[in-house]
Amino acid sequence: GAVVSQHPSWVICKSGTSVKIECRSLDFQATTMFWYRQFPKQSLMLMATSNEGSKATYEQGVEKDKFLINHASLTLSTLTVTSAHPEDSSFYICSARPDGTSGTFLEQYFGPGTRLTVT
Amino acid sequence: AQKITQTQPGMFVQEKEAVTLDCTYDTSDPSYGLFWYKQPSSGEMIFLIYQGSYDQQNATEGRYSLNFQKARKSANLVISASQLGDSAMYFCAMGNTGFQKLVFGTGTRLLVSP
Repeated sequence: GAVVSQHPSWVICKSGTSVKIECRSLDFQATTMFWYRQFPKQSLMLMATSNEGSKATYEQGVEKDKFLINHASLTLSTLTVTSAHPEDSSFYICSARPDGTSGTFLEQYFGPGTRLTVT
Repeated sequence: AQKITQTQPGMFVQEKEAVTLDCTYDTSDPSYGLFWYKQPSSGEMIFLIYQGSYDQQNATEGRYSLNFQKARKSANLVISASQLGDSAMYFCAMGNTGFQKLVFGTGTRLLVSP
């Protein structure tokens, strides 16, 4: 089956520093990837849609200058949390949609998530 | 705007029994998809089952079935013969036309006891 990886699986960083999270589709190409954030005991909230070769589309209320998304290739999207603060501590999950899928059921495959703790 | 509502924060069930997890939705799109995901304590999102708005029959995948009642805008997940490994958070989600984005409900924590 389709596999999506994320790296790192967990990271602790100091307030004011930046941290990069990678999302890779291992056995398929994905023009479109999605980044979600999940606070403890809460639901997943879509942050942005990452498109290879173009700018990401951010959801309302998500600061694009704080959460930088780069979709450099058909298998890799990165999320950089810039000048991180404790309130950015969360579980970040990416998903990827395989290129070439057709029909109404457009599958998304989720990565295992990255737990970010900002101290 | 699309909205998913899961009113059960937690559910308990004994092993081998069936359990129904509730999900209601709201959308103005005529074409949409409904999804259920399982999230164990490790955090990964595991796809369970999908129902398209135009599908005539309820979706089934092994022990999972989706009770789709379009007029009521409900898409309840039924797990038959619960197993201890079914203990997890369960999220109902909806995708809009083209299913570009998924909107998730708040989730239901299921605990299966021996």
